[in-house]
Amino acid sequence: SQQGEEDPQALSIQEGENATMNCSYKTSINNLQWYRQNSGRGLVHLILIRSNEREKHSGRLRVTLDTSKKSSSLLITASRAADTASYFCAIANQGAQKLVFGQGTRLTINP
Amino acid sequence: GAGVSQSPRYKVAKRGQDVALRCDPISGHVSLFWYQQALGQGPEFLTYFQNEAQLDKSGLPSDRFFAERPEGSVSTLKIQRTQQEDSAVYLCASSRGQGNGYTFGSGTRLTVV
Repeated sequence: SQQGEEDPQALSIQEGENATMNCSYKTSINNLQWYRQNSGRGLVHLILIRSNEREKHSGRLRVTLDTSKKSSSLLITASRAADTASYFCAIANQGAQKLVFGQGTRLTINP
Repeated sequence: GAGVSQSPRYKVAKRGQDVALRCDPISGHVSLFWYQQALGQGPEFLTYFQNEAQLDKSGLPSDRFFAERPEGSVSTLKIQRTQQEDSAVYLCASSRGQGNGYTFGSGTRLTVV
């Protein structure tokens, strides 16, 4: 399978704590993207990191990419109840247009 | 438009019925994608258009699935002779092109009874 594999499958933390989700993949990529999905809704694009980049930030989000280990992580700092959602990594393989999604991490932030 | 619009939001079809799902992408986005998402799973790729050209349909599960984008904007995903295993959320996304993020619609939840 070429899809990313997220770890853990589910994560439950207290509001204010940091949440870390990981994604591993098997192929050479053009870029890797993270998306959030609230229950019953479409996916929302969070961050795109290119294969020649190692780290990107967006507000409380920090994404790292290690192409030697074929892995990425998404860190959400100072979590809020509104961060409760499923988070997916998606792989853009070199030469391909489509994104290949993983199975997602279900994040629950407890107030 | 401001976002990707999909209709209908919900569709209940009797087994054997044909359905048509519509996607109106963001104006100017050349790339359009259809995905199928089963409950609790990640989206699975179905097909991809660049403008009006269907460049990849490798994810369509059977010849009952057909997609078109005749004028390079609105796209329709058609499922003929629906079966229970077709029950899923069908997501449409558009993008400026390779190397850009996708904007997803809210999806159409199809239930085949």
